[in-house]
Amino acid sequence: DGGITQSPKYLFRKEGQNVTLSCEQNLNHDAMYWYRQDPGQGLRLIYYSQIVNDFQKGDIAEGYSVSREKKESFPLTVTSAQKNPTAFYLCASSFLAGGITDTQYFGPGTRLTVL
Amino acid sequence: AQSVAQPEDQVNVAEGNPLTVKCTYSVSGNPYLFWYVQYPNRGLQFLLKYITGDNLVKGSYGFEAEFNKSQTSFHLKKPSALVSDSALYFCAALNTGGFKTIFGAGTRLFVKA
Repeated sequence: DGGITQSPKYLFRKEGQNVTLSCEQNLNHDAMYWYRQDPGQGLRLIYYSQIVNDFQKGDIAEGYSVSREKKESFPLTVTSAQKNPTAFYLCASSFLAGGITDTQYFGPGTRLTVL
Repeated sequence: AQSVAQPEDQVNVAEGNPLTVKCTYSVSGNPYLFWYVQYPNRGLQFLLKYITGDNLVKGSYGFEAEFNKSQTSFHLKKPSALVSDSALYFCAALNTGGFKTIFGAGTRLFVKA
């Protein structure tokens, strides 16, 4: 997990509440990613960003939002529009070389539970 | 659609025996291939990757993977399993012309003492 931190480790959300998950990296990586992990479904890409102030939707972006104001930081907001947010959320980062991503390195994850 | 398949939900092996975790891919071109391991309530840890060259790739913790282009497979292997190898293993592929890494659904490895 070294070099990428996620906080909090556990998060509880009430119905109708927005919550923000933090992701910070000190690896000087260009690209950052957010994944959602549900049992038996592997990893699904929510959003990714290749450079500061730019990001793209992944496969399941509805109900989520992100920002990339700094190279080191890529926070994810789970909005009230996300109807089933209970899951394990993973942040990752990687170098880019010629526009091609390389090995992704993952943070320790945040487990979000809806009360 | 591009995909990565891990045909076994779970692999059981006795400690000291060799282990294999299977992976096949359907990705255009010559993709980069990866294996990651995940322990409970933790992030994924990188084990090894194949880009080009020798079909046998060596990685962390004694793991290796065998690339077979004709079978589009990238199976993870270890000559002698340890109880501490018990974890969830993910195979992944990256189309070198694209940006998104495609992950398999994961295979749970259980090593019995």
